[in-house]
Amino acid sequence: GAVVSQHPSWVICKSGTSVKIECRSLDFQATTMFWYRQFPKQSLMLMATSNEGSKATYEQGVEKDKFLINHASLTLSTLTVTSAHPEDSSFYICSVPKILAGEDTQYFGPGTRLTVL
Amino acid sequence: GESVGLHLPTLSVQEGDNSIINCAYSNSASDYFIWYKQESGKGPQFIIDIRSNMDKRQGQRVTVLLNKTVKHLSLQIAATQPGDSAVYFCAETGFQKLVFGTGTRLLVSP
Repeated sequence: GAVVSQHPSWVICKSGTSVKIECRSLDFQATTMFWYRQFPKQSLMLMATSNEGSKATYEQGVEKDKFLINHASLTLSTLTVTSAHPEDSSFYICSVPKILAGEDTQYFGPGTRLTVL
Repeated sequence: GESVGLHLPTLSVQEGDNSIINCAYSNSASDYFIWYKQESGKGPQFIIDIRSNMDKRQGQRVTVLLNKTVKHLSLQIAATQPGDSAVYFCAETGFQKLVFGTGTRLLVSP
C-alpha cells in the first residue's frame, strides 16, 4: 500500500476567503497527484491532475483560477480554493498513483471536509 | 459518453452472508479496474484490482470477477462482517485517470 495524508481534515471558512489543502505522499515520491471532489452521497469526480514541475491539468468544467494547484515537491501537492463560496462546500480528496512492478493503482488521502459559510 | 455504473444503490445483507456488488462499464477499451471501499467521512480504500487479461482475481475474503463480453465487473465478499458496511465504488482507469461508478452502499446487519 501507500500512505497519503491531507491537512486539514476539516475546515470551516467564511465566504470570500481562500483555503489551502495539503496532500502529502508519506512513503514514496510522486510526480503526479490527483484531486477529487465528492458531494454528499455522490461519487468522486476528478478535478485536476497535479504535475510536479509543470502546470496542473484541469478537467472540463473546473475553473483553474478558482482551484489553484501547486505541486511543490515530489511528496506535496496543494489545492487552494480561492474566494470560496457555499457551493464550494464539499469533500476534497487527493490521490497518489503508485506505479511499481506488479502494482499500478491510486492511493487516496483521508479527505478534507470544506464548509463555506 | 464513457461511464462506469452500478446496478444496485443499496445492498443489505446479514452478517456471515456472502455479498455481491455489481458494476457495469461502457468503455470497452478499459484495461484496468479497481474496487474501492469508502467509509463515512474517509477517503476511498483500495480493495482489489484486476486487469483486462484476467477474468478473476482473489484476495482475502474478496473476489473480483470481470466479464469483458458484457462489460461487467463484480465484487464478491465472503462471510460479510459488520465492518464491511461502507460504500463500494468500482473504477476504471486509463492513463492513470480514474472514472468512478456511482457507488453501492453495503449494509451488514448483525
